[in-house]
Amino acid sequence: DGGITQSPKYLFRKEGQNVTLSCEQNLNHDAMYWYRQDPGQGLRLIYYSQIVNDFQKGDIAEGYSVSREKKESFPLTVTSAQKNPTAFYLCASSIDTSANYGYTFGSGTRLTVV
Amino acid sequence: AQSVTQLGSHVSVSEGALVLLRCNYSSSVPPYLFWYVQYPNQGLQLLLKYTSAATLVKGINGFEAEFKKSETSFHLTKPSAHMSDAAEYFCAVSGLKLSFGAGTTVTVRA
Repeated sequence: DGGITQSPKYLFRKEGQNVTLSCEQNLNHDAMYWYRQDPGQGLRLIYYSQIVNDFQKGDIAEGYSVSREKKESFPLTVTSAQKNPTAFYLCASSIDTSANYGYTFGSGTRLTVV
Repeated sequence: AQSVTQLGSHVSVSEGALVLLRCNYSSSVPPYLFWYVQYPNQGLQLLLKYTSAATLVKGINGFEAEFKKSETSFHLTKPSAHMSDAAEYFCAVSGLKLSFGAGTTVTVRA
């Protein structure tokens, strides 16, 4: 079955560490997105990519970095510059760049700073 | 820019009662509208979508939504709530990217 795989499901980070969240899709979708979810704050867009080797900042990109070297992969790195990284992170993809077909979401990664 | 507003951050219903979640949209072009459901510690799952065909859209798990252009609304309903409907629900409108509402948490009382 086609879908989006996020790994790991749970991740613990020490202060000052960089960590990378994996997102892989086998849907042949053009666009991919990263969202952060905190209780009571809905979904906030971190980064998105509409084509390989290109990506744009979303609303809360500070402290995060991404790459899109392959169409099916869009990893997110949470750097030590992100002051409050504890959150639920969701990866999504869409068939094309229009969003008219909606998004398919992964099952999420819960990141906790210890 | 397109946007949606979900009225009510929390809705509590009795099992077997009507579920009504409200969503109003703003769009400068004919919109594509979506409802997603999220269960705890899971991703969002598409419930239904409006793509300018029938104004009454049926989705999964017995949910449906009606597009009303005159009211700029896309409210989600289910005639009879089940305990398994307890979740968070998001309305979204298409633009260059999907714009999501803030979400409505549904609790179901036995």
